[in-house]
Amino acid sequence: KAGVTQTPRYLIKTRGQQVTLSCSPISGHRSVSWYQQTPGQGLQFLFEYFSETQRNKGNFPGRFSGRQFSNSRSEMNVSTLELGDSALYLCASSYRGMNTEAFFGQGTRLTVV
Amino acid sequence: GQNIDQPTEMTATEGAIVQINCTYQTSGFNGLFWYQQHAGEAPTFLSYNVLDGLEEKGRFSSFLSRSKGYSYLLLKELQMKDSASYLCAVTRGGSYIPTFGRGTSLIVHP
Repeated sequence: KAGVTQTPRYLIKTRGQQVTLSCSPISGHRSVSWYQQTPGQGLQFLFEYFSETQRNKGNFPGRFSGRQFSNSRSEMNVSTLELGDSALYLCASSYRGMNTEAFFGQGTRLTVV
Repeated sequence: GQNIDQPTEMTATEGAIVQINCTYQTSGFNGLFWYQQHAGEAPTFLSYNVLDGLEEKGRFSSFLSRSKGYSYLLLKELQMKDSASYLCAVTRGGSYIPTFGRGTSLIVHP
C-alpha cells in the first residue's frame, strides 16, 4: 500500500509569509500527527488530528495550526513565518493513534529567509 | 520534567553488537518507542515497549524496565546500513503525546 505522502518536499519562504504543508496518510489511517525536527531541538510534537478533530496539541505558538479533512488528509499552516521556523516538518499516520506504530512521511524541508 | 537521555554518538564495528541506552523520568509513563532515521529520510518504527522485558525482532531487540526508567535497543550482527540515528520516544498520560530524545547517531565502520 502507498506510504505517507507529504507535499511539497522543499519550500523556501520569506519572513512574514505564511505556508501550508500537506500530508496524505496511509489509506485507512485516521490519526495524523505533525512534528518539527531541527538540529537544535530534535523532533518535537506539534499536533494530532483524528477523524477531523484536533485531539492533542504540543507547545507551539498559535501561528502553527492544522486541520484534517474527511478523507483523513491533513494540512498544517504556519503564519507570519520566522527564521526559527526553518525545519523539517514531518507527518505521521497511524490507525488508532499515537500509542501505536506510526508511519512517517519523507517530510517537507522549510527554509525561511 | 520529561528529560529523555540517550548518548549523542556511538561507533561500532561491522558484525559486532551495540547497545543504545535511553533513560527517562517515570511519571505518567505509558510506553517507549524506538525509531531509526537515516540521514535525510523519515523515521521508521522499530519497536514499542509497554511492559517490562525484552522484545526481539530479528537483529534488533528492545528492553524496558518501567520501574528504573530505562530502555535499551540492542543491535546484533551490525551492518553498514545500520549507520543511522536512533530515536527513543516516551508517551505519557492519557494523550500519548510522544516526547523524543535527541537521538543517538550510530556509526558502523568496517
